[in-house]
Amino acid sequence: DQQVKQNSPSLSVQEGRISILNCDYTNSMFDYFLWYKKYPAEGPTFLISISSIKDKNEDGRFTVFLNKSAKHLSLHIVPSQPGDSAVYFCAASGWDTDKLIFGTGTRLQVFP
Amino acid sequence: DAEITQSPRHKITETGRQVTLACHQTWNHNNMFWYRQDLGHGLRLIHYSYGVQDTNKGEVSDGYSVSRSNTEDLPLTLESAASSQTSVYFCASSVDRSYGYTFGSGTRLTVV
Repeated sequence: DQQVKQNSPSLSVQEGRISILNCDYTNSMFDYFLWYKKYPAEGPTFLISISSIKDKNEDGRFTVFLNKSAKHLSLHIVPSQPGDSAVYFCAASGWDTDKLIFGTGTRLQVFP
Repeated sequence: DAEITQSPRHKITETGRQVTLACHQTWNHNNMFWYRQDLGHGLRLIHYSYGVQDTNKGEVSDGYSVSRSNTEDLPLTLESAASSQTSVYFCASSVDRSYGYTFGSGTRLTVV
């Protein structure tokens, strides 16, 4: 039972355009959400997070949107750069735990 | 600088052998986690620990065990390696979920 789902295994975007990565979750107890970025042969690195009391959080070119009623979050990257090419994982956590449940990942390719 | 290191980076073992993967962090984090990454499944939680002498099972704990005798280390043991345990294993540590996890670089394990 996959509690966190990323339905798009891959995404290809032209440099300079917007990349939108999507994530859906099923557990209504989740109240904290994170995005991680992973390059080949490296561990995932933290990118951006959002608490359920917010619906948007920005950090430079990265913005995460949360729609609690739809149990959906998205990561926007504007403008996309070739160095953004990586696998992106969304993750979620419940209020009573520090463990994270990860999605299956989306491979983003940004081409010139 | 504080870091989290995993060893070995690569390991090939035979079916039925006991294998231990090491994870060592110098962040002084109480929380430590083991995940495995497989295509189509993303990152799945194996075991986790919130402090010395504390261990908990994750989503895919069968065939794995951990022990936490100090703050710095959380070794992962495969009691009797199986081909289904061929995967990339990541260790992570955290203060709490709001700061995200810091991941190691991973151990690629092949069971033949």
